[in-house]
Amino acid sequence: DAGVTQSPTHLIKTRGQQVTLRCSPKSGHDTVSWYQQALGQGPQFIFQYYEEEERQRGNFPDRFSGHQFPNYSSELNVNALLLGDSALYLCASSIMDRRSQPQHFGDGTRLSIL
Amino acid sequence: GEDVEQSLFLSVREGDSSVINCTYTDSSSTYLYWYKQEPGAGLQLLTYIFSNMDMKQDQRLTVLLNKKDKHLSLRIADTQTGDSAIYFCAESTNTGNQFYFGTGTSLTVIP
Repeated sequence: DAGVTQSPTHLIKTRGQQVTLRCSPKSGHDTVSWYQQALGQGPQFIFQYYEEEERQRGNFPDRFSGHQFPNYSSELNVNALLLGDSALYLCASSIMDRRSQPQHFGDGTRLSIL
Repeated sequence: GEDVEQSLFLSVREGDSSVINCTYTDSSSTYLYWYKQEPGAGLQLLTYIFSNMDMKQDQRLTVLLNKKDKHLSLRIADTQTGDSAIYFCAESTNTGNQFYFGTGTSLTVIP
C-alpha cells in the first residue's frame, strides 16, 4: 500500500521563476493538503483540496495556487518566487469527513531559491 | 487563532523516559496528534487522541490530555537513540481537516 509520494525531492530555482510540485495521495484518500515548513519551524498550512476544489486556505498570497485531478493527485504552483519561499513543502492526504483518520505526510520537496 | 506551543529542546539518557509537552489554545479541537520528523524526512504519525479521552497508550508511547488546561504530553518509555528526532504536536478542529502544528521539540538521546 503506497503512502503519500511527492516529486521532485529537491529543486533549485531563482527569484522570479515559477515552480510546480506534485503529490500523489495515499491509496483510498481523497483530500490533499499542502504545508510549507521553513527551517526550524513547524509546518504551516497553505491550502486543502477536495473534489478538485480548494476548500480551505491558510495565510498565503495568491502566488500560491493549486490543483487537484480526478485521480486525487495534486499540484502546488508558486509564481514569482522569492528568497523567502525556500522551504520544505509537504503534502498530506486524508479522508474528508473522517476526522478520526489522521493526515499522512509525504517526505516533502525541498525547494531552494537562489 | 489557533496557537500550539512546545518547548524547543529535550535531552535524555538512553533507557530513561522522555516527556514532551504541548499546549494549545483552541477549545474546539477535536483531535490532537503527535508526529515525528527525522532529518531530511517528512512527518511520521506516531499516535493521536480524541479530545474526549484523557489517556491513550500504544506500546512505548503514552499520550496524556488535560482538556481543562489545554495541555497534551507524549511520554516515550525506555527511550532509544533511534528516538532522536523532532516531535510535533498538532491539533485539528471541527471546521475541517486543517492541522495546526507546534514549532517542534528536538529530542536528543544520549547513549
